[in-house]
Amino acid sequence: SQQGEEDPQALSIQEGENATMNCSYKTSINNLQWYRQNSGRGLVHLILIRSNEREKHSGRLRVTLDTSKKSSSLLITASRAADTASYFCATVGFSGGYNKLIFGAGTRLAVHP
Amino acid sequence: DVKVTQSSRYLVKRTGEKVFLECVQDMDHENMFWYRQDPGLGLRLIYFSYDVKMKEKGDIPEGYSVSREKKERFSLILESASTNQTSMYLCASSLPGLLVAQYFGPGTRLLVL
Repeated sequence: SQQGEEDPQALSIQEGENATMNCSYKTSINNLQWYRQNSGRGLVHLILIRSNEREKHSGRLRVTLDTSKKSSSLLITASRAADTASYFCATVGFSGGYNKLIFGAGTRLAVHP
Repeated sequence: DVKVTQSSRYLVKRTGEKVFLECVQDMDHENMFWYRQDPGLGLRLIYFSYDVKMKEKGDIPEGYSVSREKKERFSLILESASTNQTSMYLCASSLPGLLVAQYFGPGTRLLVL
């Protein structure tokens, strides 16, 4: 099963609104990462938050981490049409005999002008 | 900025052909990865490499092989392409360890007829 799972699967908002995406994971982590993928393109690393951090900001992005609830959220403030993309959380998990970065299924965000 | 390039954005091959997907990174990263991405299945790790001439099987190595003769280049080889290998292939690189960001190439969308 997925180490990280995003919620909701899809989100549709108007430009200027805030978008919040959530990620839940199963095992203890050292860090959690968020990535963005524009349609048909590769993933772009957005932000990494360590297990001893509770909140991190990068421009219009705000990430929170609650290790007691095993969850993280990504907030995009004042969204723009260019924010339309899929957003993935990723954590390190042990599977198949090795550690690896495991990606969730993603949240598809559509920002309408 | 880290740059990861992939040899082709789109590729069409016939069943049974041998297919080479090339990935080059310019940041002297030790780690390199090959994923495939399919709707509903997310990103799945095919192979990874922690150093030159080293390779490790990921979750779905069957039907694939890899080559890493130089640090900056990681090649994915489809020995005999099949229609179920039609997919988006993503290459990534990173510094050592898993508690770091992975940097992705733009992806190669492969269609096997």
